[in-house]
Amino acid sequence: KAGVTQTPRYLIKTRGQQVTLSCSPISGHRSVSWYQQTPGQGLQFLFEYFSETQRNKGNFPGRFSGRQFSNSRSEMNVSTLELGDSALYLCASSWGAWGTYEQYFGPGTRLTVT
Amino acid sequence: GIQVEQSPPDLILQEGANSTLRCNFSDSVNNLQWFHQNPWGQLINLFYIPSGTKQNGRLSATTVATERYSLLYISSSQTTDSGVYFCAVERRASGSRLTFGEGTQLTVNP
Repeated sequence: KAGVTQTPRYLIKTRGQQVTLSCSPISGHRSVSWYQQTPGQGLQFLFEYFSETQRNKGNFPGRFSGRQFSNSRSEMNVSTLELGDSALYLCASSWGAWGTYEQYFGPGTRLTVT
Repeated sequence: GIQVEQSPPDLILQEGANSTLRCNFSDSVNNLQWFHQNPWGQLINLFYIPSGTKQNGRLSATTVATERYSLLYISSSQTTDSGVYFCAVERRASGSRLTFGEGTQLTVNP
C-alpha cells in the first residue's frame, strides 16, 4: 500500500505571495491533518479534515487554510506569506478522525520564504 | 492543552550501547505515538502505544497511562539510529490531533 505523498517537496516563495501544498493520504484513510515544524516552535498542529469538513484547528492565523476533496486528498493554502512561514509542512493521514487512530506522515514540503 | 516533555534533550552514545528515552504527559490520552525523524524530515512510525508494552526488533516501548509517562528503549544502538525521536500524544475531543514533545536528539558514534 502506498504511503502518504506530498507535493511539491521543496518550494521557494517571496514575502506576500501565496502557496498551495498538496497531500494524498493512504488509500482508505479519510482523515488528513497538517502540521508545521520550525526550529523555534517545534511541531505544531495546523488543522484536520475528515469527510471534506474541517474538524479541528490549531492556533494559527486565518492566512492558513485548507480543504479536502471527495477522494480524501487535501490541500493547504497560505496567503500573504511572511518570513516566519518558512518551515517544513507535514501531512498525516489516519483511518478515523478521533484520538484513537494511528497517524502516518508524508515526507513533507519544505517551504522557504525570502 | 496537553503538555509533553521529553528527556533527555540530547543523547550521545557509542555503537552497541543501550538507551532509554522518556516522555511525560500532563493529562490522560487516547493515543501515544513514538516517531523517528530521518535526516530528510520524514517522521517514521515506531510505535502506537497508548498503554502497555510493545517490541519491534531492537526497539521496545512501554506506556504507563495511569502515571502519564512512556519510555522508548533502544538496545545495541547502531549509527543508523541517529536522529530525533519524538513522542506525540492525543486526547479525544480536545480540539487537536497530535501534540508533540520537543524531541530527543540521538547521536550514535561508530
